[in-house]
Amino acid sequence: AQSVSQHNHHVILSEAASLELGCNYSYGGTVNLFWYVQYPGQHLQLLLKYFSGDPLVKGIKGFEAEFIKSKFSFNLRKPSVQWSDTAEYFCAVNPNNAGNMLTFGGGTRLMVKP
Amino acid sequence: EPEVTQTPSHQVTQMGQEVILRCVPISNHLYFYWYRQILGQKVEFLVSFYNNEISEKSEIFDDQFSVERPDGSNFTLKIRSTKLEDSAMYFCASTPPAAFRGAFFGQGTRLTVV
Repeated sequence: AQSVSQHNHHVILSEAASLELGCNYSYGGTVNLFWYVQYPGQHLQLLLKYFSGDPLVKGIKGFEAEFIKSKFSFNLRKPSVQWSDTAEYFCAVNPNNAGNMLTFGGGTRLMVKP
Repeated sequence: EPEVTQTPSHQVTQMGQEVILRCVPISNHLYFYWYRQILGQKVEFLVSFYNNEISEKSEIFDDQFSVERPDGSNFTLKIRSTKLEDSAMYFCASTPPAAFRGAFFGQGTRLTVV
């Protein structure tokens, strides 16, 4: 069965630091890739998604992610984090032949210190 | 911006009782989902629902669970005879009728079985 791994469970950064959160998946076929964010007390919100084309995708709030097919990775990046980025970040995969089901990674809790 | 809404935000129930978790998906969406997240674990897919029937379900979604769209706006998850291990955050999601481009999630219902 496919799986999604987020190796960083907790990340603490100071404001203005750069962020990179890792996401790797195990699935050999074509996949759709997503990053969701959950701010404290709020719903899961879509940050960005990749379906095809340019492997560098830009999302909301200055986030971007790069799909590297050879590494089965879809890492999330932001050049300069803000305190308001404190949240939990989830990577998710939808294999093209798996209907509309999302498989999530374990999440990464990001704390940004002011 | 349209949202998926879930009620209640927190439900406490005694072991063996039945609970119904309620969701109002985004109005023009046609696909509906339930996911759950046990504390400290990954967000897991439970079931997807389309055209008044289950389209996909995971191994977790056994006979204890059922879903229903009782009217044109609500989408419910019923858990019969709850167990302690059903304690989790339950997320409802919906997607529009076009090709899958990522799901829109509600804020979740925290179910505590005591």
